Amino acid sequence: GQNIDQPTEMTATEGAIVQINCTYQTSGFNGLFWYQQHAGEAPTFLSYNVLDGLEEKGRFSSFLSRSKGYSYLLLKELQMKDSASYLCAALADRGSTLGRLYFGRGTQLTVWP
Amino acid sequence: DVKVTQSSRYLVKRTGEKVFLECVQDMDHENMFWYRQDPGLGLRLIYFSYDVKMKEKGDIPEGYSVSREKKERFSLILESASTNQTSMYLCASSLYRRTDTGELFFGEGSRLTVL
Repeated sequence: GQNIDQPTEMTATEGAIVQINCTYQTSGFNGLFWYQQHAGEAPTFLSYNVLDGLEEKGRFSSFLSRSKGYSYLLLKELQMKDSASYLCAALADRGSTLGRLYFGRGTQLTVWP
Repeated sequence: DVKVTQSSRYLVKRTGEKVFLECVQDMDHENMFWYRQDPGLGLRLIYFSYDVKMKEKGDIPEGYSVSREKKERFSLILESASTNQTSMYLCASSLYRRTDTGELFFGEGSRLTVL
């Protein structure tokens, strides 16, 4: 089966650093995605990790440990506009055919001034 | 830029009505998906398609059907709408091959209310 877990809610203050964790159990695992979703809008792509390690992209970084089934999204220098839901999704490879994403329930991040 | 367009942002239907949700993508993606999103439940996959006229059930296909007659268009059909199908419906597409990541591109969503 497929299981993706992440915290339901987190809060932080402007300028701070926050880490959103995600654990997964996915057969045929072939990569981990993070998406950002503002209220009433569609999810937008933030990051993709397929190898162990840290990927940095501006204020956002994402980490993956395949052996531990664990990822985190790190947001630095938080801004009010970072208040959103953050979705962790694991890609399950189906061999030569379609791979599909399995989503966690999302972590609602609230940034306070 | 990839563009995924959903035909309606907001719909209000009555119980028992047939509902069509249309989705069109303009980047020649093979794969298309329909999700519904509900508070506390996250994104749940209803159906997906990896080629024209091909479809596979996702995690919650009951009460839904789909149609993919052309590569760029993927339709979600509620044969007889019920109140528990009130939800946000998101269409997505992806280009997934061995050399690609499988990133999903989402439409803006269709919020359906069934009275």
